[in-house]
Amino acid sequence: GDSVTQTEGQVALSEEDFLTIHCNYSASGYPALFWYVQYPGEGPQFLFRASRDKEKGSSRGFEATYDKGTTSFHLRKASVQESDSAVYYCALGDSNYQLIWGSGTKLIIKP
Amino acid sequence: GGIITQTPKFLIGQEGQKLTLKCQQNFNHDTMYWYRQDSGKGLRLIYYSITENDLQKGDLSEGYDASREKKSSFSLTVTSAQKNEMAVFLCASSIDGVGQNTLYFGAGTRLSVL
Repeated sequence: GDSVTQTEGQVALSEEDFLTIHCNYSASGYPALFWYVQYPGEGPQFLFRASRDKEKGSSRGFEATYDKGTTSFHLRKASVQESDSAVYYCALGDSNYQLIWGSGTKLIIKP
Repeated sequence: GGIITQTPKFLIGQEGQKLTLKCQQNFNHDTMYWYRQDSGKGLRLIYYSITENDLQKGDLSEGYDASREKKSSFSLTVTSAQKNEMAVFLCASSIDGVGQNTLYFGAGTRLSVL
């Protein structure tokens, strides 16, 4: 079946560092791909989506590009801030009503 | 804007107990979801409901019942709580499915079973 893999369980950076969180997927066709962010004590919040090869999604300084060739949708941000500390989830639209979620990556920003 | 309200925020139960979690949304969304979140794992779908009075099983439905009697509310019942179980249950809604629409989540109900 379809799957999403986030290789980093945790990433620790300093403020103003460059962030990459890796997301790879396995699915046929062109599934919609998503990034959600979850702050402590809250539910996940939608960041952005992409649904076509080479389409870039972006929000709040974060971006990711849909890459069918490498089956990836890596999250990047040029300069992280302490307020970006959260858990980031990559997800794949398996059907119109179901998302397949990655295991999440906890981002820790050291002040 | 709208909001999803989950009650209770914290739920402590006994082994074998039947426990009910409630969710209300004021987005006027058609579709609602229940997910389970365990530490270090992704979200797993328990039940979803495409519209009022509809119920669809997710991959994790065993051990749970759900009810969607009104468009705005969706409840989840743990039919027999398991000893030492700890998880967060998240309710979510979307206008109509997730393929092109955003999922909005509540803050969760944190379950502990003694």
